[in-house]
Amino acid sequence: DAGVTQSPTHLIKTRGQQVTLRCSPKSGHDTVSWYQQALGQGPQFIFQYYEEEERQRGNFPDRFSGHQFPNYSSELNVNALLLGDSALYLCASSFRQGSFLAEAFFGQGTRLTVV
Amino acid sequence: QQQVKQSPQSLIVQKGGISIINCAYENTAFDYFPWYQQFPGKGPALLIAIRPDVSEKKEGRFTISFNKSAKQFSLHIMDSQPGDSATYFCAASKSQGGSEKLVFGKGMKLTVNP
Repeated sequence: DAGVTQSPTHLIKTRGQQVTLRCSPKSGHDTVSWYQQALGQGPQFIFQYYEEEERQRGNFPDRFSGHQFPNYSSELNVNALLLGDSALYLCASSFRQGSFLAEAFFGQGTRLTVV
Repeated sequence: QQQVKQSPQSLIVQKGGISIINCAYENTAFDYFPWYQQFPGKGPALLIAIRPDVSEKKEGRFTISFNKSAKQFSLHIMDSQPGDSATYFCAASKSQGGSEKLVFGKGMKLTVNP
């Protein structure tokens, strides 16, 4: 089992550009959540995808958007990058049993640097 | 408003000692309390988790103590080893009902000296 895999591992972008980060969930998982972790801080919830729909969203602007594909993989898109978007972006996957969501497993993250 | 408060921010212990990390939460709807361990450049790894129906859970050298009335929970690491040196995050969530996002504390950097 490969676990949760994210790509790329590192990325450098210029202010104003757009970026797409990718995540493949752990085998058997159907729910993907994205988190932003600034240096020295705990992860902050961005949004969660299940059945190809955004189910819940944290306090992030519309510049942050996402998508989930039929194979449960997911993308995080960030438009009009700001210096403050520099962070480690984490993908977490879990599986849903009815209304109950099982424990989340995290990928290694994508380190985004905006210059 | 920080919903999960973690303390201390850093801790240095000697090999073989006990490491204790405390967390307090505000939202009484939370019903799932995991602890994550994170090494530099890596994603958080689930260490141990507890639900409010038990007051303590032990897995190897790691024990969670949970106090529902005080809205507090703590992680005890027994016989701390240099390999335990990492950042530890407590978190909380509702495990069902459409609000399962994890709310994390700010983390505690643990250093275990040999």
